[in-house]
Amino acid sequence: DGGITQSPKYLFRKEGQNVTLSCEQNLNHDAMYWYRQDPGQGLRLIYYSQIVNDFQKGDIAEGYSVSREKKESFPLTVTSAQKNPTAFYLCASSARIGGYEQYFGPGTRLTVT
Amino acid sequence: GESVGLHLPTLSVQEGDNSIINCAYSNSASDYFIWYKQESGKGPQFIIDIRSNMDKRQGQRVTVLLNKTVKHLSLQIAATQPGDSAVYFCAETSYDTGNQFYFGTGTSLTVIP
Repeated sequence: DGGITQSPKYLFRKEGQNVTLSCEQNLNHDAMYWYRQDPGQGLRLIYYSQIVNDFQKGDIAEGYSVSREKKESFPLTVTSAQKNPTAFYLCASSARIGGYEQYFGPGTRLTVT
Repeated sequence: GESVGLHLPTLSVQEGDNSIINCAYSNSASDYFIWYKQESGKGPQFIIDIRSNMDKRQGQRVTVLLNKTVKHLSLQIAATQPGDSAVYFCAETSYDTGNQFYFGTGTSLTVIP
């Protein structure tokens, strides 16, 4: 059963702590993405990766970091430098970058207090 | 940045009626468009896509229309069902923006039984 998994579904952290969100895909896709969703706003791109060991900043990369050591995995770390980390985080993948359908995971809701 | 917007933030329709959700975009070079459906607390689900060399594309109970002259995209849902209640997003991408997707803020569709 192919798809994208994100874990955990809900995550709670204290301010000042780093936290890592997991994203795994078994679709054999080259490209993976991290988006942030806030109420009343469209999805905003945090980071994306076109291929293993390569990733690029999106529009709102400050306070976040990623790695792409394996094709199927693209974890996102929300660092203490991110001023407003509470949000719904969505991971996506596509066969290639650009005009290809993006498949989304179920999301992780992060709450930082 | 790109501007992808929706004309109406909310839409209520009677079960069995047809629904039309609209989206405006600003980049005349946009060449690939997707409509997504997102239920509360879940990741976006692909509905249908269209490339800029087409004006219309049909799926199961859904039709997407693209008017490049006025940079307008619409999603038509035939015989709307209660299970269609969700938020619907449009997304667009183009080569000249680095193939990054830009998402609209969404229209909330409510189907009245």
